Amino acid sequence: DAKTTQPNSMESNEEEPVHLPCNHSTISGTDYIHWYRQLPSQGPEYVIHGLTSNVNNRMASLAIAEDRKSSTLILHRATLRDAAVYYCILRGYNAGNMLTFGGGTRLMVKP
Amino acid sequence: KAGVTQTPRYLIKTRGQQVTLSCSPISGHRSVSWYQQTPGQGLQFLFEYFSETQRNKGNFPGRFSGRQFSNSRSEMNVSTLELGDSALYLCASSLEVAGANVLTFGAGSRLTVL
Repeated sequence: DAKTTQPNSMESNEEEPVHLPCNHSTISGTDYIHWYRQLPSQGPEYVIHGLTSNVNNRMASLAIAEDRKSSTLILHRATLRDAAVYYCILRGYNAGNMLTFGGGTRLMVKP
Repeated sequence: KAGVTQTPRYLIKTRGQQVTLSCSPISGHRSVSWYQQTPGQGLQFLFEYFSETQRNKGNFPGRFSGRQFSNSRSEMNVSTLELGDSALYLCASSLEVAGANVLTFGAGSRLTVL
């Protein structure tokens, strides 16, 4: 699987937007961009995924660069419950469920 | 609907023993994959099963094994436990295995090896 690069940690204030970046310069044309997050003492939790176009769901938005070499997960209004480690993962179309997790970004939310 | 259920949630073993962990996927999900999470190595893929067949295997020694039953429930076994096997073992299930597919993880089984 192609590799992703994320900042180790980020800080945000409660109720402010958060932009979590991910670089994936070696992404292939059929790789999906997935985001998962892991809250303390829990298993990872799906957040959002996309292929080429920007995506929105009830949890977040995913903005994908035109060349697909980077993407940004957007939390529109951070809450204390959003404090977690966020993982950006590339999944090939037929790669199965063998996900390659990097170090992720630890998001800290200040009240 | 019920999520992914892993049992036991916590267990303590001693070196040389073996352990079996169980995972019940979401009803209707046919794919189950297993991951190991440690502070030093992060989340690492162990193996993946789909319709009782192992599809992929991560870079772990043969002491780590797994299987999937006809009802999609899965077990993983670690034999001859070592201190370094202390970790959170996570199971995830999904409907299929295409790149757009979403994984649902369980809460994990935390294994401590003394």
